[in-house]
Amino acid sequence: AQSVAQPEDQVNVAEGNPLTVKCTYSVSGNPYLFWYVQYPNRGLQFLLKYITGDNLVKGSYGFEAEFNKSQTSFHLKKPSALVSDSALYFCAVSSSSGGSYIPTFGRGTSLIVHP
Amino acid sequence: KAGVTQTPRYLIKTRGQQVTLSCSPISGHRSVSWYQQTPGQGLQFLFEYFSETQRNKGNFPGRFSGRQFSNSRSEMNVSTLELGDSALYLCASSPGTSGRSSYEQYFGPGTRLTVT
Repeated sequence: AQSVAQPEDQVNVAEGNPLTVKCTYSVSGNPYLFWYVQYPNRGLQFLLKYITGDNLVKGSYGFEAEFNKSQTSFHLKKPSALVSDSALYFCAVSSSSGGSYIPTFGRGTSLIVHP
Repeated sequence: KAGVTQTPRYLIKTRGQQVTLSCSPISGHRSVSWYQQTPGQGLQFLFEYFSETQRNKGNFPGRFSGRQFSNSRSEMNVSTLELGDSALYLCASSPGTSGRSSYEQYFGPGTRLTVT
């Protein structure tokens, strides 16, 4: 079975500071990894994904994520946080072999950016 | 392209009633998945439809059912509603074809169901 862990329920960061939202995963076969963001009373919005290739993936709104196979991690990062980045962030994993192509989502991390 | 739309956005029902939620995917997307989101359980997969057939199913009781029409629009039905069914129900679409594991999903705004 595949699984995703987001060890922090909440991350607090000051505006202008770098932010990191952590994600670790477990899957049989090659992982496909995704980050989504959810604003209040909205559905999830796709940010970025890792399928293959360069371990550093760049996505929307200045976000990026680094795939680390040895640590089975896919942490979301942004060099300079904005108050408008405050939202709920979800990491998800799927697999083309051994696991399920239906993505498994983490429980989400609430990011709060303070002015 | 228009995004994924869900109707209604908000719904209040009484225990024992049934409810039908609707989802229209992005044009050209043939896969529609449904999720239940609650503060306690997070995002849980209900089922996926592709070309009018249920292709995958999560661990929910038979009271939860769905269907997909030839135009890829999908409906989800919950019968004999319980208080614990109160949640945000999200629909997501994707192309759903070969290489489907690698496709991101596009979510609708959700239907907020409250059962009293």
